[in-house]
Amino acid sequence: DAGVTQSPTHLIKTRGQQVTLRCSPKSGHDTVSWYQQALGQGPQFIFQYYEEEERQRGNFPDRFSGHQFPNYSSELNVNALLLGDSALYLCASSSSGQVYQETQYFGPGTRLLVL
Amino acid sequence: DAKTTQPNSMESNEEEPVHLPCNHSTISGTDYIHWYRQLPSQGPEYVIHGLTSNVNNRMASLAIAEDRKSSTLILHRATLRDAAVYYCIPANNLFFGTGTRLTVIP
Repeated sequence: DAGVTQSPTHLIKTRGQQVTLRCSPKSGHDTVSWYQQALGQGPQFIFQYYEEEERQRGNFPDRFSGHQFPNYSSELNVNALLLGDSALYLCASSSSGQVYQETQYFGPGTRLLVL
Repeated sequence: DAKTTQPNSMESNEEEPVHLPCNHSTISGTDYIHWYRQLPSQGPEYVIHGLTSNVNNRMASLAIAEDRKSSTLILHRATLRDAAVYYCIPANNLFFGTGTRLTVIP
């Protein structure tokens, strides 16, 4: 049973560019959440997708957008990259319904470096 | 969202019990309390969760105060593999704090 997978594992971009990160949820899960983790900090919630809609959003600007596909996989897009966007981007999946009780399963993350 | 307070760091000797505290004084009556841990260079992993009663699983135990304003994650015998950052997440299971960095001393 494959867990949460993310691609790519590492990425280097320059300021002003755009980036797309991808996530496949654990089998049987239909809810995907994205987090940003700066070095030495805890993960910061970006947004959550369920039934192809953004269900909840953290305190991130509109430069951060996402999408969920019918097969429940998800993409995170970041436009107009800033140096401060350099971080580990984590994807987590869970099953729907009682999301406050459901365990989240995390992928290994994509490390983004913005130069 | 419920705010949490955890010590920044703790140390434990190997094979001794560890009690990791978390204060979540603004938690509401229906909020579950989740604990995750993050090993170096990995994504967070689920440890345990509970609502009111104490909970046990193969990884740890969770002791929840009667007023639910605090909880304690208990590792019964710390091993070197338990060295990680431990996060306590009440409420909607989405907002992580800064966690407690646990160092296990051989």
